[in-house]
Amino acid sequence: AAGVIQSPRHLIKEKRETATLKCYPIPRHDTVYWYQQGPGQDPQFLISFYEKMQSDKGSIPDRFSAQQFSDYHSELNMSSLELGDSALYFCASSLGRAELFFGSGTQLSVL
Amino acid sequence: AQSVTQLDSHVSVSEGTPVLLRCNYSSSYSPSLFWYVQHPNKGLQLLLKYTSAATLVKGINGFEAEFKKSETSFHLTKPSAHMSDAAEYFCVVSDPIENTGFQKLVFGTGTRLLVSP
Repeated sequence: AAGVIQSPRHLIKEKRETATLKCYPIPRHDTVYWYQQGPGQDPQFLISFYEKMQSDKGSIPDRFSAQQFSDYHSELNMSSLELGDSALYFCASSLGRAELFFGSGTQLSVL
Repeated sequence: AQSVTQLDSHVSVSEGTPVLLRCNYSSSYSPSLFWYVQHPNKGLQLLLKYTSAATLVKGINGFEAEFKKSETSFHLTKPSAHMSDAAEYFCVVSDPIENTGFQKLVFGTGTRLLVSP
């Protein structure tokens, strides 16, 4: 069965650079979520989209933005990167309020 | 808002012995609850879910959890641990967003399960 696809798997950036993470949800899932997981931490909710509209916003910094496109894939854009942005970024998708299915994550390292 | 508390940050068991990972939640109404497992450097995999049907929920890899409303608990158990069960386990509650049909998941802080030979 198709799963949530995230790219890239690993990303290395320097401070003040920008990064774009991509997420392809499970086909026919209408909701996409982004989570950030720091080392040894539990995942923290960043933002979610339902049918291409932002549905909720969590602890997402103003330097970050995200959108969902017409083909339902989503991108998380991160600017002015800081050392503290180094984390595992997960995308998840769901059909309505059913359970979330997570991608394998993008490991972002900011040097 | 919903919240979830995982009572143990680490649990150590021997292979072949039972596993108990504890989780308590707070909710103003009947919640949806989940257990996710995360192996090192891997994504989050759904183990099982409770969504107001049967209170004893069976999941993958021999895990099960029992929803106890009176105790506001959703503990995860397995009769016999396997080395491959060593991972981080997250108890998660679905937090509906008011006046919408949307939700977000609220994660517990995780329990690291260590399995020794």
